[in-house]
Amino acid sequence: DTGVSQDPRHKITKRGQNVTFRCDPISEHNRLYWYRQTLGQGPEFLTYFQNEAQLEKSRLLSDRFSAERPKGSFSTLEIQRTEQGDSAMYLCASSLGEPFNEQFFGPGTRLTVL
Amino acid sequence: DQQVKQNSPSLSVQEGRISILNCDYTNSMFDYFLWYKKYPAEGPTFLISISSIKDKNEDGRFTVFLNKSAKHLSLHIVPSQPGDSAVYFCAASDGKVIFGPGTSLSVIP
Repeated sequence: DTGVSQDPRHKITKRGQNVTFRCDPISEHNRLYWYRQTLGQGPEFLTYFQNEAQLEKSRLLSDRFSAERPKGSFSTLEIQRTEQGDSAMYLCASSLGEPFNEQFFGPGTRLTVL
Repeated sequence: DQQVKQNSPSLSVQEGRISILNCDYTNSMFDYFLWYKKYPAEGPTFLISISSIKDKNEDGRFTVFLNKSAKHLSLHIVPSQPGDSAVYFCAASDGKVIFGPGTSLSVIP
């Protein structure tokens, strides 16, 4: 199966710690997206890359959040000094071509900040 | 302020009947609309889409209707099957994709 993969699937951390998540998109996809989803809500856009360039960031993405896609393949999302409000499902998606083309989602990383 | 709204958090339908899921949006610049389905412990999966220049798109049991003047779209599933039980997200794009909060569909055998 060559779908989108995310690692880890679950992360429990203490408030104030840093965490990093990884996303491996479908290999030929040039666009990669990060979303955050909380209970009862749909995915909220955080940021997206076209190849290695980060083209847009939501205002939801505070200074404690940083995302990279150094070689235009996998991406990492780091949260520094985690807060309890960061607890959520972090979803990665990838697509080919136009921004409205079908996005293929990974299974997500569930973050719990204690 | 939510730009994409799904005002029904949940919906129950008998197997074999029609399921109608509704979605409203506020941004007239949206030019592409999508529906995603999500099962527990999985990421959303794409179901069907429609461009703003169309008013209907059909794919098997799934049909999406778009009423631009009302800023409203709906997803029809006919006939509904128990395997259709999932959370359905409406989404709209003007470049980036904005998702609604979802409607949980239960199809009762």
